[in-house]
Amino acid sequence: DGGITQSPKYLFRKEGQNVTLSCEQNLNHDAMYWYRQDPGQGLRLIYYSQIVNDFQKGDIAEGYSVSREKKESFPLTVTSAQKNPTAFYLCASSSAAGSEAFFGQGTRLTVV
Amino acid sequence: GENVEQHPSTLSVQEGDSAVIKCTYSDSASNYFPWYKQELGKRPQLIIDIRSNVGEKKDQRIAVTLNKTAKHFSLHITETQPEDSAVYFCAASKPRGFSGGYNKLIFGAGTRLAVHP
Repeated sequence: DGGITQSPKYLFRKEGQNVTLSCEQNLNHDAMYWYRQDPGQGLRLIYYSQIVNDFQKGDIAEGYSVSREKKESFPLTVTSAQKNPTAFYLCASSSAAGSEAFFGQGTRLTVV
Repeated sequence: GENVEQHPSTLSVQEGDSAVIKCTYSDSASNYFPWYKQELGKRPQLIIDIRSNVGEKKDQRIAVTLNKTAKHFSLHITETQPEDSAVYFCAASKPRGFSGGYNKLIFGAGTRLAVHP
């Protein structure tokens, strides 16, 4: 069954801790993205990757880090430097420029 | 940098009426304009897209128009139904070869559409 999978669905983090969100796709897509969704603010781009071993900062990269060691995987680490990490995080992938992006089901991160 | 503005932020219509959502983009190099629908608690899904070499595209009750000169594009939903109620996002990206990152998909802030029976 092809698709893009995020895990976990819900995640709780204590203040000062780093946490990593998983995103895996078996669609053979080159491009992958991480977005943050807050109420009333749409989808804001955190990081994106066009190809393995390469990634670019989006509009709100501060306090986040990513890696792209494999084509299938694009994990996002939310570091303690992110001042307001509580949000809904969406991962997406697409095959090429100007093609449909497919989204994972999202991870809701809450800082406790 | 690239920016996509979307209006209105909320839209309420009666069942059977039409709904129009408008977006404006800042980067004239953008050439791909998708629209996504996100139902409550679910992931965004593509409903229609348009490329810069086309002025209009239609798929049943949904249509998208593009004005490259004015750098804006619109989503039109006719004969709205309660199941059309959702948040709709427009987006824009530019092709390979342009500085600033190709395929950088930038979204608008979203429009919450409510269709009342």
